[in-house]
Amino acid sequence: GQSLEQPSEVTAVEGAIVQINCTYQTSGFYGLSWYQQHDGGAPTFLSYNALDGLEETGRFSSFLSRSDSYGYLLLQELQMKDSASYFCAVLSGYSTLTFGKGTMLLVSP
Amino acid sequence: EAGVTQFPSHSVIEKGQTVTLRCDPISGHDNLYWYRRVMGKEIKFLLHFVKESKQDESGMPNNRFLAERTGGTYSTLKVQPAELEDSGVYFCASSQGTAGGIPGELFFGEGSRLTVL
Repeated sequence: GQSLEQPSEVTAVEGAIVQINCTYQTSGFYGLSWYQQHDGGAPTFLSYNALDGLEETGRFSSFLSRSDSYGYLLLQELQMKDSASYFCAVLSGYSTLTFGKGTMLLVSP
Repeated sequence: EAGVTQFPSHSVIEKGQTVTLRCDPISGHDNLYWYRRVMGKEIKFLLHFVKESKQDESGMPNNRFLAERTGGTYSTLKVQPAELEDSGVYFCASSQGTAGGIPGELFFGEGSRLTVL
């Protein structure tokens, strides 16, 4: 089976940097995705890592270590609008994404 | 380009009744997925269509749930009869086939919130 662990909640202030960790156990692994969800709306895709290392997209970066079954999402220069839930998700099998329980990020002024 | 659309956005029914949720994926997307999120829990996979065929339905909780995708376009998810534990937000997502797109990228709809009383 699949299991993913990520913190339930993280708090930070505007302008800060925050890292959301994700560890996973899967029976098959192709890559790790990250999604953002505002107020129960549609989850939106942020990034995908298939290989070890850091991928940077603007203020957001995502890291993967396949040997450690570990990844993280790094958010820099935090803004109030970044307050949302963030989900890591493992791609395994044929295009099936398994999601974690999500991390609620609260950004305060 | 229109995104993934779901209908209804919110449905309130009584235990034992039937509800049918509809999803229209992005045009041209062969892959269509149904997920469910119960308050505070993970976004749980239900099933995956490739065109009109069920590729993986391992997440369907029981035989009260029936999903169809006739003609490989829109999909419906029927819950009959509904139970209290079926309450949650049902998300539909779509993605391109193997010919294109980022492997781990799904395009989600806004979800259908189901409340069973």
